[in-house]
Amino acid sequence: GAGVSQTPSNKVTEKGKYVELRCDPISGHTALYWYRQSLGQGPEFLIYFQGTGAADDSGLPNDRFFAVRPEGSVSTLKIQRTERGDSAVYLCASSYLPGGPGNEQFFGPGTRLTVL
Amino acid sequence: AQTVTQSQPEMSVQEAETVTLSCTYDTSESDYYLFWYKQPPSRQMILVIRQEAYKQQNATENRFSVNFQKAAKSFSLKISDSQLGDAAMYFCACICSNDYKLSFGAGTTVTVRA
Repeated sequence: GAGVSQTPSNKVTEKGKYVELRCDPISGHTALYWYRQSLGQGPEFLIYFQGTGAADDSGLPNDRFFAVRPEGSVSTLKIQRTERGDSAVYLCASSYLPGGPGNEQFFGPGTRLTVL
Repeated sequence: AQTVTQSQPEMSVQEAETVTLSCTYDTSESDYYLFWYKQPPSRQMILVIRQEAYKQQNATENRFSVNFQKAAKSFSLKISDSQLGDAAMYFCACICSNDYKLSFGAGTTVTVRA
């Protein structure tokens, strides 16, 4: 079956602009996660959804970052007034939540965001 | 505070040989989950192996096995009979708190010499 997909694959924007990054999880997966991976580092947690609601958004760095999942499937990560420090690969993952926290998180290929 | 530590930025191994990647973690929980993920240049993060902390038996998946030392909070990955396709960045990760967040180490780049 289809895996997690993310669009766009690459996004180049100018400082101060608004961007949206999209994630399509695996069908039937109720949990969805966003991570950010800076160059040469491991991914860092941003936000986690159970169904439509954000169960944990403690990783969002500031109020310029926001994410939604209105119908419990596709999610959009929104970044306002982008800064050069936002440049990173943004990874999305999904899992079948009823299995518990040890369930495998399946990752998408990520969106590479470059802020000029 | 760093939850997961990988002290080897790079490792090189001859094809068909064995390489061991180190990982230590920190948690006060008694039940938690440990993972090794592989990330090739395509950026796709792929699960290699996972270990539930309550299981004493070390997990194995074909050529990949772990050495889980709970008291030492150590979780190393052994790649046996290394193949050229094993070349990638390897991340150790933990769900170390009573939640669903993966905490990743900084990664180890593995190169395989033909």
